[in-house]
Amino acid sequence: RKEVEQDPGPFNVPEGATVAFNCTYSNSASQSFFWYRQDCRKEPKLLMSVYSSGNEDGRFTAQLNRASQYISLLIRDSKLSDSATYLCVVKGMDSSYKLIFGSGTRLLVRP
Amino acid sequence: ETGVTQTPRHLVMGMTNKKSLKCEQHLGHNAMYWYKQSAKKPLELMFVYSLEERVENNSVPSRFSPECPNSSHLFLHLHTLQPEDSALYLCASSSLGGALGTDTQYFGPGTRLTVL
Repeated sequence: RKEVEQDPGPFNVPEGATVAFNCTYSNSASQSFFWYRQDCRKEPKLLMSVYSSGNEDGRFTAQLNRASQYISLLIRDSKLSDSATYLCVVKGMDSSYKLIFGSGTRLLVRP
Repeated sequence: ETGVTQTPRHLVMGMTNKKSLKCEQHLGHNAMYWYKQSAKKPLELMFVYSLEERVENNSVPSRFSPECPNSSHLFLHLHTLQPEDSALYLCASSSLGGALGTDTQYFGPGTRLTVL
């Protein structure tokens, strides 16, 4: 089983749609969780950290479900500029620096 | 954004060449990383340096040799590479040992390497 699993997509949605991605992780002791965004042929950039209580940043909402070991990202009112690959990232319990990346979920927002 | 820079941005090399990738961070961080990103695969951590000392080497082949002369610079020396080493090589930096939430890793734009 992969340490971090994501549906590769692509998710093809119209502008204005709401779309959600899930990600599962295998290590129940993991403590920190993140969503990164990676545009085509660019570097990953931190989108948001995921906190136990859930957190929101504008049109983006991230949630953590420890019991089921998954995190989610909800994007409301999708924009064309949201088209990118969204990487689910988990920080290993045994390290203060080691990030474990999922393969990413590709989102395409069409006009 | 110029927080983490990498050169060259693109590199084509033969299997017998020797080349080096360079990374520089301007964020005052104390840790630097090399990652490999192959097509349709997740980012793979290759090397980690904390305070200029290598703290992790994820069983990377010896044809990849890192060097960290100071906390702002990181190199990846390449020799006798294989075609399967073609990938995007990303450098990142972060600040370790600080308050929770301050250790975000910031990535450079990457070097796209093609081995012929």
